[in-house]
Amino acid sequence: DAGVTQSPTHLIKTRGQQVTLRCSPKSGHDTVSWYQQALGQGPQFIFQYYEEEERQRGNFPDRFSGHQFPNYSSELNVNALLLGDSALYLCASSPRESGANVLTFGAGSRLTVL
Amino acid sequence: AQKVTQAQTEISVVEKEDVTLDCVYETRDTTYYLFWYKQPPSGELVFLIRRNSFDEQNEISGRYSWNFQKSTSSFNFTITASQVVDSAVYFCALSEAWSGNNDMRFGAGTRLTVKP
Repeated sequence: DAGVTQSPTHLIKTRGQQVTLRCSPKSGHDTVSWYQQALGQGPQFIFQYYEEEERQRGNFPDRFSGHQFPNYSSELNVNALLLGDSALYLCASSPRESGANVLTFGAGSRLTVL
Repeated sequence: AQKVTQAQTEISVVEKEDVTLDCVYETRDTTYYLFWYKQPPSGELVFLIRRNSFDEQNEISGRYSWNFQKSTSSFNFTITASQVVDSAVYFCALSEAWSGNNDMRFGAGTRLTVKP
């Protein structure tokens, strides 16, 4: 049973460009969350998707947007890239039952902005 | 506002030593959840434990144990007889009950190096 899969694993972009990161949740999970992890820091919550809608959002600008598809997979889009967007982007999935479910994380997409 | 503090940035021990990773949290909620995750070099966060705020019983799982003390807002993690494979970054995290797992707040992490 595959866990959370993310693509690409590594990518390099230049300032001002746009990037799309992809995530397939663990089988049986319908909720996807995205986190940004800067070097040497803990992950920071970007947003969560359920039923193809953004349900909650962390303190990130509108340059960060997302989408969830009917098969529960998700994309994270970042526009007008800044040097400070360089980070490991982690996708996590969970089932929708109420309460603080355990998140299953992917290995991340490492974005470098030059 | 919720906050998690892991004061130890890096810890280095020799194999078979015991090591404790500290975690202190802040929250205004009376109902919340605490977590520990391990992040090996591969990058994937691996779940270790979840505790809710009403369960202050300490827990032991093999070489791992957790000490939850609401009076000091701490949720410390001890590895007994450490092994080289324990080398990783460990994160403590907090989630307030009203948000479920929507906005899990992580500490900055503690990098543990276990030398042979």
